[in-house]
Parts: sequence; C-alpha cells; structure tokens
Amino acid sequence: EAQVTQNPRYLITVTGKKLTVTCSQNMNHEYMSWYRQDPGLGLRQIYYSMNVEVTDKGDVPEGYKVSRKEKRNFPLILESPSPNQTSLYFCASSPLFRWYARGPETQYFGPGTRLLVL
Amino acid sequence: EDQVTQSPEALRLQEGESSSLNCSYTVSGLRGLFWYRQDPGKGPEFLFTLYSAGEEKEKERLKATLTKKESFLHITAPKPEDSATYLCAVPVGAAGNKLTFGGGTRVLVKP
Repeated sequence: EAQVTQNPRYLITVTGKKLTVTCSQNMNHEYMSWYRQDPGLGLRQIYYSMNVEVTDKGDVPEGYKVSRKEKRNFPLILESPSPNQTSLYFCASSPLFRWYARGPETQYFGPGTRLLVL
Repeated sequence: EDQVTQSPEALRLQEGESSSLNCSYTVSGLRGLFWYRQDPGKGPEFLFTLYSAGEEKEKERLKATLTKKESFLHITAPKPEDSATYLCAVPVGAAGNKLTFGGGTRVLVKP
C-alpha cells in the first residue's frame, strides 16, 4: 500500500530534550516536506527536500533541522524543543512535475504527529 | 508577496444546499493549484490539481474550477459526510518549490 508513515504519532516531552520525528514513504517520491498545523495559522511549511541531500527552508524553519540521506526517509529533528513548538506535524511526499522538474506535484500526507512540549 | 486566501472561514449548510468555496491567490506564474480535504486530526487528503485557467475537475459532488486569480470548489447537494475542512495550496517562490496553503474553509453539513 502506497503510504507516508510518521512516528511517533503522539509525543509529550520537556523543554530542551532533543527529539526526532521519523517520516518514511514507499512511493519513490523525490519531494518530501514537513508542515506544522496550528489553530488559526493553518498549515505552514517547515522544510522541504527536492531529492537526496537536497533540503531547503520553508516558511517556519527556526528551531528545526532535517536530513535526507535516503530517498524514502526525511526525519524532523528538534534539537532543543520549546513550548512554542507544540503543534500537529505532518510529513508529506510527492513526485515532481514531469515537465517542470521543480516544485511539488500532488502531496501525499502522513497521519500526523501531535507534539506537546512542556 | 505570494499569498493564498480562502473564504469563507466557515460554512454551515443544510444537506442538499449547494455552495461554493473560494481560494484566491497572488503568485507570479501559477504552477498548479491543489485542493485537499482534511478531517479533524488527520492528514490532508488530495482532491484535485488544476494547472491552467479555465480548467475544471469533478469528483462526486465536488467540482473545482480555476481562473487567473482564484479557484472555486463547488459542492453540489452536499451530504453530512462532506463535512470537513477544505484546503487549497499553490507552489510559490522563485523556483516554485515551496508550497503555501490557504487557511482553509471549515464546512459543516447538517442533515
């Protein structure tokens, strides 16, 4: 089954304790991305990756790190989480436009990770 | 500045009462516009991709249309199971490889 998986689904942690949220896709997609969703602010892009070893900042990258060592995996790292990073996080993947090999095509989203930072 | 704005923020409909949702955008060089449906606590689910003005796509009771400045999602004779938040998104930035979402429209269809 084609899917994007995220782990963990729920996480409660304390300020400053490093954590990693994993994301994996089995569709051989080039493009992967992380979003956070907050009430009243909608979905905002944190980081994206066009392919292996190619990552770039989205609109809200502060406090986050990513890496793309393999095509299927795109972990999100919070080196020193703070309460303002409490949010619902989504990973997504997509192929790239075929006639314009930049930019994401249809995004497939994971089930989400609900993070609470105390 | 690239912007995507959805209206209304919320919509309450009676079952069978058709309506339209709006997604207006200001981007230089549209590289596609995406519509998603999101149920509470779940990841967005893809509905449509539109690439050029005049394009229309349909799926069951939903129909998406695109002009040079906005897109509409028409819901015809909605049912309670159409209740969800509907999101639109466009690729933005000089290379079009970032994605910006609108704030969404929460639709509630009452029986």
